[in-house]
Parts: sequence; structure tokens; C-alpha cells
Amino acid sequence: NAGVTQTPKFQVLKTGQSMTLQCAQDMNHEYMSWYRQDPGMGLRLIHYSVGAGITDQGEVPNGYNVSRSTTEDFPLRLLSAAPSQTSVYFCASSYAKLLAGEHNEQFFGPGTRLTVL
Amino acid sequence: AQTVTQSQPEMSVQEAETVTLSCTYDTSESDYYLFWYKQPPSRQMILVIRQEAYKQQNATENRFSVNFQKAAKSFSLKISDSQLGDAAMYFCAYRPVRANSKLTFGKGITLSVRP
Repeated sequence: NAGVTQTPKFQVLKTGQSMTLQCAQDMNHEYMSWYRQDPGMGLRLIHYSVGAGITDQGEVPNGYNVSRSTTEDFPLRLLSAAPSQTSVYFCASSYAKLLAGEHNEQFFGPGTRLTVL
Repeated sequence: AQTVTQSQPEMSVQEAETVTLSCTYDTSESDYYLFWYKQPPSRQMILVIRQEAYKQQNATENRFSVNFQKAAKSFSLKISDSQLGDAAMYFCAYRPVRANSKLTFGKGITLSVRP
């Protein structure tokens, strides 16, 4: 299993440009999520999905868009990049329902470092 | 709303010594999981240990153990025989057991290990 994969690893954008961060998982997890990590702020939830066709907003959704057309993929779109979106982005996946004895943790991708100039 | 608090931004420990990282949380849920994640300089998030709230016994994974105090809503991580490779940022996280629940993180603590 590849686990959770993210592309690209690094990206530099100019203000106003758009781009898509890719995320894929091969563990058949229903739940997928996007976080951003900023110094002193921990990981903050941007958007999440509990299955194909179902998405919802997290703590900091403004400026980001997501869709979930398949179980495996959960891309994050920046519609018009701003310097405030400079951050490290993590995608994660897990089972949607936590069961006793199961591996209930979220599995994380390697992250994407995004810089917006 | 659930919150996770890690009040110490940085800690330091001598190699081979023991260190305890503190975490408190606030929730009205009765059943949940608590996690400690490690983030080394490589940036990869690595699960260190998990604790089910319904279990009274504290979780242990080799040199890592927790002190889970449900009534006090406290979940500290103890690292014994600290090694240079333990130097990293550590995040405490909380997730209710109910379906489709979200994972909430603390702000993290940077642990340095002195040789």
C-alpha cells in the first residue's frame, strides 16, 4: 500500500493564481481531510469528506474548494491564491466510524509546502 | 466545541532521561480517542500512541506511555530513556467515537534532546 500520497511536495505561486493540491489514498478509507499547518497554530482543518460526493467545511475553509468524486481522491483547490495561504498542507484519511480494536488513527500524507508571493 | 490545549510550546530533555509532555482537552462527549502524533523535521506525521477513553488502563508503546486522567481531562505523554531521534514536534489530538467525527489538534510542543 502507498498509503496517503500528495502532490506536489513544493509549490510557489503568485498572488491570484489558482492551483490544485492532489491527494490520494489506497486504504479504502471513507474519511478524508485537509489541514494547514502554520507556526504556533498546530493543524487546522480546512475541509473534510465522509465519502464520495459528500464534503463539509472545517475550521478555516475560506479560499479553498474541494470535491470528492471517488473514494480514493480528494483534491484541494485554491481559487485565487493569497499570501495568507502560504502554509504547509496535509491530507489525511481514516475510517469514518471508529470501532473498538480497529486502527482508528488518521494516516497523513507527506505534506505540500506552498508559498504564495 | 472540543478544544485541545498544549500549554508548553517548548521542552528540553537530556539524552537517556525521562520527559513528560502535557495535554488537556475539553469535551462533553463520553466516548472518544486521544492520540499523540510526532512530527520530525521530515514533516511526516507519525502516530506515537493512542488511548481509548473507555479504557482505564494507560496505553504503553515501548518507551512511550501516557497518563490518562479522564475526570481531569488530562492526557500527558511520558518518554523514557530519551533518544536523539525523539527530537521533534509533538501534537496531542482528540476525536469522538461517533461516526464522521473530526480530529482536533493542540498547537504542538517542540521537544529538543540534549546529547
